[in-house]
Amino acid sequence: AQSVSQHNHHVILSEAASLELGCNYSYGGTVNLFWYVQYPGQHLQLLLKYFSGDPLVKGIKGFEAEFIKSKFSFNLRKPSVQWSDTAEYFCAVNAPGYSTLTFGKGTMLLVSP
Amino acid sequence: DVKVTQSSRYLVKRTGEKVFLECVQDMDHENMFWYRQDPGLGLRLIYFSYDVKMKEKGDIPEGYSVSREKKERFSLILESASTNQTSMYLCASSSKRINYNEQFFGPGTRLTVL
Repeated sequence: AQSVSQHNHHVILSEAASLELGCNYSYGGTVNLFWYVQYPGQHLQLLLKYFSGDPLVKGIKGFEAEFIKSKFSFNLRKPSVQWSDTAEYFCAVNAPGYSTLTFGKGTMLLVSP
Repeated sequence: DVKVTQSSRYLVKRTGEKVFLECVQDMDHENMFWYRQDPGLGLRLIYFSYDVKMKEKGDIPEGYSVSREKKERFSLILESASTNQTSMYLCASSSKRINYNEQFFGPGTRLTVL
């Protein structure tokens, strides 16, 4: 069975600080990887995804993530956060061809102005 | 644009009541999912369906059932609501035709069971 571990439950940053949210998964085969974001009061939406090719993936709003297969990691990064990035972030994984996603427990990011 | 809608944003029910949560998607997706979201626990899969009248148990199906009579609609049923089912319920859908199976989520229903 797959599992996803997000290292931090809560992160507090000041505006313009750099962000890195950790995500590790356990699964031996090929994987698809996702980061979802949930802004306060809004529905969960896709931030970025990796399924093949360049392991450095760029998403919306200046976010990027790097897939490091040897470390089973898919960390999310942003060079300079904004107050509007305050949200909960979820890492998720599935195996190609499988419908279900396995989610991490989420990281709540609070950016202070 | 994919749209997943849920019948209620907020719902308050009493212990023992039968509760129906409805979800509709408009993108002809084959797969539909029900999750519950609790603080510190992330999203946990309750049930999913990959076709009309088909259903599969997820990680936490106890106390829940589902119905999928039409492709666009997936209902979650709490036969006898209990206080430990107070939670945010999220519906999602995805296409079988796309390999990486991105899921699209509805706005959620916050259910309180008193």
